[in-house]
Amino acid sequence: AQSVAQPEDQVNVAEGNPLTVKCTYSVSGNPYLFWYVQYPNRGLQFLLKYITGDNLVKGSYGFEAEFNKSQTSFHLKKPSALVSDSALYFCAVRDYRGSTLGRLYFGRGTQLTVWP
Amino acid sequence: NAGVMQNPRHLVRRRGQEARLRCSPMKGHSHVYWYRQLPEEGLKFMVYLQKENIIDESGMPKERFSAEFPKEGPSILRIQQVVRGDSAAYFCASSPPVGGGVQETQYFGPGTRLLVL
Repeated sequence: AQSVAQPEDQVNVAEGNPLTVKCTYSVSGNPYLFWYVQYPNRGLQFLLKYITGDNLVKGSYGFEAEFNKSQTSFHLKKPSALVSDSALYFCAVRDYRGSTLGRLYFGRGTQLTVWP
Repeated sequence: NAGVMQNPRHLVRRRGQEARLRCSPMKGHSHVYWYRQLPEEGLKFMVYLQKENIIDESGMPKERFSAEFPKEGPSILRIQQVVRGDSAAYFCASSPPVGGGVQETQYFGPGTRLLVL
């Protein structure tokens, strides 16, 4: 079965410092990986995805993620955090097989807090 | 291009009533997914639909829940005889036709927050 794990419930970082939100995955084939962000009482906004190709994926709002096959990880990063980045971040993996084609499997989420 | 629309945004029901949640996908999208988010948890897949077809409903509870995506109009998630445990945020997502590949991104609506009293 496909699954993702976000080992940290919370990440706190000072504004201007680099941030990392961790994600590890488990799939039986090629992984299709996604990051979404959720602001309070809002829906999920797509940040970036990895399908194939370069291991470093660039996305919206200055975020990027590094795919590491040997460590089965897809960590979200940003070189310089902003207070406005404070939100709930979800990692997800896409199932591409047979009858479960299409569904996303989400991690539990990581609450990022950036303080001034 | 309008995003995924969901209504109502908030819905309050008493135990035993019916809840109907609506989702209009993005223009050009023919695939709709429903997810449920319980407090302090991530999103859980419920059902995947195309126009007039249910592709995968393995995430739906066997009783009281149903979904449809008619040829015309929005997708509907229907919960009959609601119980307090149904209180959650329900999100709809849409994506382009799978001809674009499974790598197609799912775009989410703002969600419907259901509260069962």
